[in-house]
Amino acid sequence: QKEVEQNSGPLSVPEGAIASLNCTYSDRGSQSFFWYRQYSGKSPELIMFIYSNGDKEDGRFTAQLNKASQYVSLLIRDSQPSDSATYLCAVMRNQGGKLIFGQGTELSVKP
Amino acid sequence: DTGVSQNPRHKITKRGQNVTFRCDPISEHNRLYWYRQTLGQGPEFLTYFQNEAQLEKSRLLSDRFSAERPKGSFSTLEIQRTEQGDSAMYLCASSPDPGNTEAFFGQGTRLTVV
Repeated sequence: QKEVEQNSGPLSVPEGAIASLNCTYSDRGSQSFFWYRQYSGKSPELIMFIYSNGDKEDGRFTAQLNKASQYVSLLIRDSQPSDSATYLCAVMRNQGGKLIFGQGTELSVKP
Repeated sequence: DTGVSQNPRHKITKRGQNVTFRCDPISEHNRLYWYRQTLGQGPEFLTYFQNEAQLEKSRLLSDRFSAERPKGSFSTLEIQRTEQGDSAMYLCASSPDPGNTEAFFGQGTRLTVV
């Protein structure tokens, strides 16, 4: 079992819809959770992070964390074609330590 | 430029040759990380530094790989006797002090071993 698991996709949504990206992790001691976006051939860029159970909103993005279920998700509202990219979920066990990434979910937003 | 800088951006080398990559972190970021990413996979952790101290190395980092951060500023990653399986994107990231966990990535060095 991988430490961080994501569906590889591709996930296809129409423009303006809500895209829902999911991630599960195996280490209950994980403390911090991150979502990165990676365009083809580019490096990952941080979208948002979450530490506590519940929801965290930043513009069109909402991260949701459920530590009891070891589950973290990212919702993208009003999806745009420019959101088409691979979304990487990452967890950190210890503050300031290494990130453990999932394999990423490819998102395609159709005009 | 205030971002993480990596050089070179691309490197093509023959199998068996040695290569060295450089990473310049964001100014005053104490933590510096190296990751490797192959096509269709997420980045895999290789090693990280707190200032000049190397705090953790992955089992992926064989004896052919060595990383340094001699003055706590830039870092180098050297691969000796390259193999075709070393072909990947090598990513560097930096973050501020341990209390701040956000890591920012450079553009990466794409290595092709032929």
